[in-house]
Amino acid sequence: AQTVTQSQPEMSVQEAETVTLSCTYDTSESDYYLFWYKQPPSRQMILVIRQEAYKQQNATENRFSVNFQKAAKSFSLKISDSQLGDAAMYFCAYRSAYSGYALNFGKGTSLLVTP
Amino acid sequence: DGGITQSPKYLFRKEGQNVTLSCEQNLNHDAMYWYRQDPGQGLRLIYYSQIVNDFQKGDIAEGYSVSREKKESFPLTVTSAQKNPTAFYLCASSRSRDPVQPQHFGDGTRLSIL
Repeated sequence: AQTVTQSQPEMSVQEAETVTLSCTYDTSESDYYLFWYKQPPSRQMILVIRQEAYKQQNATENRFSVNFQKAAKSFSLKISDSQLGDAAMYFCAYRSAYSGYALNFGKGTSLLVTP
Repeated sequence: DGGITQSPKYLFRKEGQNVTLSCEQNLNHDAMYWYRQDPGQGLRLIYYSQIVNDFQKGDIAEGYSVSREKKESFPLTVTSAQKNPTAFYLCASSRSRDPVQPQHFGDGTRLSIL
């Protein structure tokens, strides 16, 4: 089974600054998909960004971007110009392209944004 | 608006009692999933279903059961065999044969022991 590791239980960033959340994964598959989900205090899971493993170009969604290093099995999330509303739990998730299509989640990183 | 509805929002279980969590979606998605979330554990897969009348166990299926009689509905029963049911339960859905499409999540049900 694939495992997803988020090594930072908690991170803190000042408003308007940039922060990077780390994620590594273990897989023997060549084709897969990676996701970052945000879970605010309301507990709703919100998709932040996704990356197809066969694409070399890093995905970008407004202030959110990823650094996808396939050989290193690394998928970090960069949040630019941090806002108070970015404060949440962030989960990295892996999805196989071959079967099931369920998500394997990391344990999450709690992001605190300070004024 | 299309989405996933989970009910109830809060649920309490007595010892030896089975309880059922409801999950309904109107997104016309084939696949549905149940996850359990514990503090510091992330989300773990309980069961998933890719088509009606078919479902597979996830990583932590013991003590749980599901059914998929309709495309829109995927209820989860927490049986008395589940000795530690206190957790936050999330239901999700997605298109079955398009893994690049993200899963959509409901708002969750918090289950506690009385």
